[in-house]
Amino acid sequence: NAGVTQTPKFQVLKTGQSMTLQCAQDMNHEYMSWYRQDPGMGLRLIHYSVGAGITDQGEVPNGYNVSRSTTEDFPLRLLSAAPSQTSVYFCASSWGPGSPLHFGNGTRLTVT
Amino acid sequence: EDKVVQSPLSLVVHEGDTVTLNCSYEVTNFRSLLWYKQEKKAPTFLFMLTSSGIEKKSGRLSSILDKKELFSILNITATQTGDSAIYLCAVEVVTNAGKSTFGDGTTLTVKP
Repeated sequence: NAGVTQTPKFQVLKTGQSMTLQCAQDMNHEYMSWYRQDPGMGLRLIHYSVGAGITDQGEVPNGYNVSRSTTEDFPLRLLSAAPSQTSVYFCASSWGPGSPLHFGNGTRLTVT
Repeated sequence: EDKVVQSPLSLVVHEGDTVTLNCSYEVTNFRSLLWYKQEKKAPTFLFMLTSSGIEKKSGRLSSILDKKELFSILNITATQTGDSAIYLCAVEVVTNAGKSTFGDGTTLTVKP
């Protein structure tokens, strides 16, 4: 049982490049979300989804897009990378309201 | 805007000490408060609290919620070096299912 799988684990981009962070879960969870973690700042919500075809913005959505075409996958797209997007990105999933989050192992992104 | 504040931000203790970590919140339509432990990679779930005054316990860790004063504490007794981690507090609200608001975390270091 893989749980939540994120790829890649590490990525270096140049300013202005675009890329997609992949997230897949095999637990049939309805809820999925993306967080970024910066030193001393905890986890901040970027985008989230409560089911296939439904997405919404979190606290820090600017510069990121998401889509949810299947229950299993929730990719995060960086449209034009900026140094301010250097961070560790975590994908998470859960059964629904009031259930704990299951996290992937994170993607460490550096934008130069 | 939902707000979660953890204190202290960092803490250094010696093995065998007892520690208390604090999490206060200001949210509308509270549903639940969750504690997570983050070692090198992904946060992992510790406790979920929904009702005041009911202690949740797992081994040397315990947690309790006060919905009147809007805070929770996480206690760790007889600390061990393996307890060294970032401890994260998150709050869910009823009106925004799928969103968790995290505090900045408490970094606990346990020295031998």
